[in-house]
Amino acid sequence: QSALTQPASVSGSPGQSITISCTGTSSDVGSYNLVSWYQQHPGKAPKLMIYEGSKRPSGVSNRFSGSKSGNTASLTISGLQAEDEADYYCCSYAGSSSLVFGGGTKLTVL
Amino acid sequence: QVTLKESGPVLVKPTETLTLTCTVSGFSLSNARMGVSWIRQPPGKALEWLAHIFSNDEKSYSTSLKSRLTISKDTSKSQVVLTMTNMDPVDTATYYCARIRGSWWGPYYYYYYMDVWGKGTTVTVSS
Repeated sequence: QSALTQPASVSGSPGQSITISCTGTSSDVGSYNLVSWYQQHPGKAPKLMIYEGSKRPSGVSNRFSGSKSGNTASLTISGLQAEDEADYYCCSYAGSSSLVFGGGTKLTVL
Repeated sequence: QVTLKESGPVLVKPTETLTLTCTVSGFSLSNARMGVSWIRQPPGKALEWLAHIFSNDEKSYSTSLKSRLTISKDTSKSQVVLTMTNMDPVDTATYYCARIRGSWWGPYYYYYYMDVWGKGTTVTVSS
């Protein structure tokens, strides 16, 4: 199972919006709307931000939103804040009870 | 409050077998539609899913590591154990356990997102 493709880095200024893409195949992202997104600050465990493509767990800001088109899922962060600076990972169901993660994207808030 | 805590050796030698334990609290390993996953992260690199075990004892493994991994659970102790054989320096990583949940997609229930993570345990493979 090959890793999902994410841009290595994205950046934005406070208040702006950014979008992180996550490209898979018709065997994972394209076949199921079962994509999750995780935020990871340095030295910390990942935190669930989005599941089932666009749902937010309780406590996650509505500035975070998810979507999917074809084989590509996307995470959008609006109203960028300094605390959003972190690594972001997508993850998709990949069939036969398996999962596949993306390579991760480093978000820099300028 | 749901928590998970990983434990195991900090240092293992090449060719040895690694045994990691995840102790959970705040939920039962017999709860329907829940399970525990193991994920690892080499220094400076991406997350990699390894395996998970569900409440009905069904197990799933990463295709690339399947021959080396075994996952099991002891519901009475609230523990999930992952063993990885024939350790190599490339297996040096932080190993996380996490509770895995899922959603209905059509007539089937799919496990695919980790809603609570442990803090991770760092394992170094070196002679």
